[in-house]
Amino acid sequence: DAKTTQPNSMESNEEEPVHLPCNHSTISGTDYIHWYRQLPSQGPEYVIHGLTSNVNNRMASLAIAEDRKSSTLILHRATLRDAAVYYCILRGATNKLIFGTGTLLAVQP
Amino acid sequence: GAVVSQHPSWVICKSGTSVKIECRSLDFQATTMFWYRQFPKQSLMLMATSNEGSKATYEQGVEKDKFLINHASLTLSTLTVTSAHPEDSSFYICSAEPFMGSNTEAFFGQGTRLTVV
Repeated sequence: DAKTTQPNSMESNEEEPVHLPCNHSTISGTDYIHWYRQLPSQGPEYVIHGLTSNVNNRMASLAIAEDRKSSTLILHRATLRDAAVYYCILRGATNKLIFGTGTLLAVQP
Repeated sequence: GAVVSQHPSWVICKSGTSVKIECRSLDFQATTMFWYRQFPKQSLMLMATSNEGSKATYEQGVEKDKFLINHASLTLSTLTVTSAHPEDSSFYICSAEPFMGSNTEAFFGQGTRLTVV
């Protein structure tokens, strides 16, 4: 399974947009880009996923670079409840979700 | 969304005893479930893939005789930590999904915190 690289931590202010980057230069053509988040002492929660085109759902947007070697998770208006560790994961033919270190997002009021 | 429930949420056991953790898919059937372990301030580590009606497949370095997995029905997988020791203290998490594939979302249980004393 190809690896991803994310910043260890990021900060945001409440009500402002947040752009969480992820690099995945060794992505294969059939890998889907998945994002999950984990609040303290809870199991991860699905956020969004995509293959090539940008994706939107009620939680977030996913912007995927044309060469697919990077992607950005966009939270349009951060709230205090969005403070979590965000994981960018490539999911391929094995169907496994291999978690990296993720990005710890802090949201300031 | 689909619901995956783990039981218990937390457990304390004595060193040398065995502990069973249940993972249930409440509103869907799952032929495959995954088990993870997470140490404090670390990421989730995939332990094994639980397959209904067949043997689990374990990730490299995970002792199958130590972590027994049984997936006896389409809605229940169990992880038994045998002869637990303090170093097995961790947060154990399972996941399942109604349709398996790289293009589907996984649903996670709330986790089970195991403390071995």
